Amino acid sequence: QVQLQESGPGLVKPSQTLSLTCTVSGDFISIGTHYWSWIRQSAGKGLEWIGRIDARGGINYNPSLKSRVTISVDTSKNQFSLKLTSVTAADTAVFFCARGNYFRGYIDSWGQGTPVTVSS
Amino acid sequence: DIQMTQSPSSLSASVGDRVTITCRASQDVSNHLAWFQQRPGKAPKSLIYAASSLQSGVPSKFSGSGSGTDFTLTISSLQPEDFATYYCQQYNSYPHTFGQGTKLDIK
Repeated sequence: QVQLQESGPGLVKPSQTLSLTCTVSGDFISIGTHYWSWIRQSAGKGLEWIGRIDARGGINYNPSLKSRVTISVDTSKNQFSLKLTSVTAADTAVFFCARGNYFRGYIDSWGQGTPVTVSS
Repeated sequence: DIQMTQSPSSLSASVGDRVTITCRASQDVSNHLAWFQQRPGKAPKSLIYAASSLQSGVPSKFSGSGSGTDFTLTISSLQPEDFATYYCQQYNSYPHTFGQGTKLDIK
């Protein structure tokens, strides 16, 4: 049973960089049968897909965030990470990491989510 | 981007009822459609993939159908734990977009 756990600062100042890490247990990122994704949810709103990465080096970002987002993977730590630059209050959200089936495309597992507030 | 539109946005039903939620894509997504359940304060839970296939461990009271642009999620014999918000998501093309959600509450 795979488990995903988000971690990172819960408070980020405007214009700074938001950095989060997702630690994977019960699966190995390096195997390559899954991809690894970040999704966010603003208070009282729906889900927004941020991007995904796989062990083969494939990366896809939401064009609405592409200029500010970097997703990377560290297979030695079995973690993947999100960096979002130049944040504003509009980036305040709960951030989820998720696992998707590389061959079929669908998400099958989610982390519990971590709230991030952008405020001075 | 492919726009995903769910209807209704909210729905009231009673324990034991059967309900259907609709999801429409702005372009053909084949059967690359997933459904998720989210209870308040919790992470989404994967229910259905490929429009109609149940994720492991999901009870058969949940069923999905459709292809192309029109999809449905049906939940039969509603129980208290089923009252939640449901989201569809297309994963046919990037970015993988979600519907705005359908909140199912107790009548």
